[in-house]
Amino acid sequence: NAGVTQTPKFQVLKTGQSMTLQCAQDMNHEYMSWYRQDPGMGLRLIHYSVGAGITDQGEVPNGYNVSRSTTEDFPLRLLSAAPSQTSVYFCAIGRSGNNEQYFGPGTRLTVT
Amino acid sequence: AQKVTQAQTEISVVEKEDVTLDCVYETRDTTYYLFWYKQPPSGELVFLIRRNSFDEQNEISGRYSWNFQKSTSSFNFTITASQVVDSAVYFCALSHERSNYQLIWGAGTKLIIKP
Repeated sequence: NAGVTQTPKFQVLKTGQSMTLQCAQDMNHEYMSWYRQDPGMGLRLIHYSVGAGITDQGEVPNGYNVSRSTTEDFPLRLLSAAPSQTSVYFCAIGRSGNNEQYFGPGTRLTVT
Repeated sequence: AQKVTQAQTEISVVEKEDVTLDCVYETRDTTYYLFWYKQPPSGELVFLIRRNSFDEQNEISGRYSWNFQKSTSSFNFTITASQVVDSAVYFCALSHERSNYQLIWGAGTKLIIKP
């Protein structure tokens, strides 16, 4: 997975709880992003970052926050979990000038 | 608006058959990238290929080949002599107008290879 790690692998939350999904890379890639994957659908972009200190919204940002204080880490925060956020979350990295993206193993989140 | 359509929800073939996965895209960009990713049952996403819109040459990599046709906005993927290990969900994706880093994804095609 090109040096992309995600923790935890599985998580169950109750509605209203908050949590942070971790994504870390050791490839020194500038670009990092978060996607969610729902059954029968392709991936949808939540937030992305083109470098430390720079973040932007993707297609489905509501209910999620991100920050990028270092090149290596790009955590995704769920502020108040909702059942609609039950999904598999993937972190991806990419290098400037080469828009191939490499994905972490994913985090399966269930909100009850 | 940009869109990627993978009309085949699920395909089932017998091992050693050839199979083609279709991908049709919509974009107003003149420069864009197309991708294929594989997601095996274990769940990870594996990069297969990236194609620049200016390069319409077909590409072959072992049993895999890709046919890019701008005239029909298609980027189809063929597996020759399929194997059980090819069973997976295959996604086609298109670079976003705003940024090549952002991808627009198709819904995926589930490929089942029967022994």
